[in-house]
Amino acid sequence: GAGVSQSPSNKVTEKGKDVELRCDPISGHTALYWYRQRLGQGLEFLIYFQGNSAPDKSGLPSDRFSAERTGESVSTLTIQRTQQEDSAVYLCASSFTGTSSYNEQFFGPGTRLTVL
Amino acid sequence: DQQVKQNSPSLSVQEGRISILNCDYTNSMFDYFLWYKKYPAEGPTFLISISSIKDKNEDGRFTVFLNKSAKHLSLHIVPSQPGDSAVYFCAASANQAGTALIFGKGTTLSVSS
Repeated sequence: GAGVSQSPSNKVTEKGKDVELRCDPISGHTALYWYRQRLGQGLEFLIYFQGNSAPDKSGLPSDRFSAERTGESVSTLTIQRTQQEDSAVYLCASSFTGTSSYNEQFFGPGTRLTVL
Repeated sequence: DQQVKQNSPSLSVQEGRISILNCDYTNSMFDYFLWYKKYPAEGPTFLISISSIKDKNEDGRFTVFLNKSAKHLSLHIVPSQPGDSAVYFCAASANQAGTALIFGKGTTLSVSS
């Protein structure tokens, strides 16, 4: 597709369960980012991938959060033992990182996670 | 400690008038600034950006102004249209692809006809 896609669009889970969120970036974009937006807040950076490696994981809030990227394409964000404070919209973005590129990131529609 | 601040949670404007959305930042290392527009249940959409080497960038009805000494930027929309009603986020980063964007909390713009 032409844009960033994410699945599922909505996820409701029980506290303590694990969840996996998927992101398909724009074809050819080497950089991929995960953000989350809690109610009434701005977007909060979680992790950045360049190719399949993650040079910046500084935003991951705890060791319950992990992410991987394979084939310089799809990325999965995993949250283990979910807590109610994990409820948020999780947004994925991608960008091209050529030598003359600026930091314009293109976002997917997000996954709304609700932890009961 | 918020590095990017949008102090007005909401703004109401009449159709045809100018909308001015403001953003302040604290980190002097930021040198690239972006505005995103977000409709409910959709991801943010890139609107316009400005590098710190400029003080103005214009794209159609949208103009972004940057005042580096005041660490302030603003987005002007003129004329405003009802379809502009959305949440507008200001974001900042180092002018280098592959760095995290730091976002403000957003301003909800309502344009009435």
